Amino acid sequence: DAGVIQSPRHEVTEMGQEVTLRCKPISGHDYLFWYRQTMMRGLELLIYFNNNVPIDDSGMPEDRFSAKMPNASFSTLKIQPSEPRDSAVYFCASSPGPIAKNIQYFGAGTRLSVL
Amino acid sequence: GQNIDQPTEMTATEGAIVQINCTYQTSGFNGLFWYQQHAGEAPTFLSYNVLDGLEEKGRFSSFLSRSKGYSYLLLKELQMKDSASYLCAVRDSSASKIIFGSGTRLSIRP
Repeated sequence: DAGVIQSPRHEVTEMGQEVTLRCKPISGHDYLFWYRQTMMRGLELLIYFNNNVPIDDSGMPEDRFSAKMPNASFSTLKIQPSEPRDSAVYFCASSPGPIAKNIQYFGAGTRLSVL
Repeated sequence: GQNIDQPTEMTATEGAIVQINCTYQTSGFNGLFWYQQHAGEAPTFLSYNVLDGLEEKGRFSSFLSRSKGYSYLLLKELQMKDSASYLCAVRDSSASKIIFGSGTRLSIRP
């Protein structure tokens, strides 16, 4: 399996623009997670899905952030409008489900810079 | 509330042993993970503990004491490639969500 695939790897945009990050989870994994990582705040969970349904979005910072999972193989995280403080690395992770260790597998991340 | 504490930085010598501690206070507990993250890369799974005691996997071992809310990651025969951040993470009562600590940046010197 190719692992979790995220695109783009790098995104540079100007304040006020819309940003869309994309994720393809590992096939067969029932859970998908979006994280944000900064030096100041570390790795923060934004939202997670189970079988394409959002379960917990309490980590989504503001209404400017939204996430969708239209099918089992694709998810998006959208920021509209973007602000400089949104600059961070955004990771997507997937896991097979609440069995045994339920290890999360991370994508390579999207490094977002908002100017 | 949720709180996971680990040292911010540590330094060790190649070939030596280092122990990275983690203490946690969380609402519910369903296991503790250690992840390794090299600079500019994604976190990767290292170990998992759900019962008290020591789990050994090659050069890496992880220990858990649930009554003390405490874990450590032990790295033996350190190699330069072990220079990375080590993230302690606790799975809460939902059994799906895990909360990450801020990570410990480990530097290995020759």
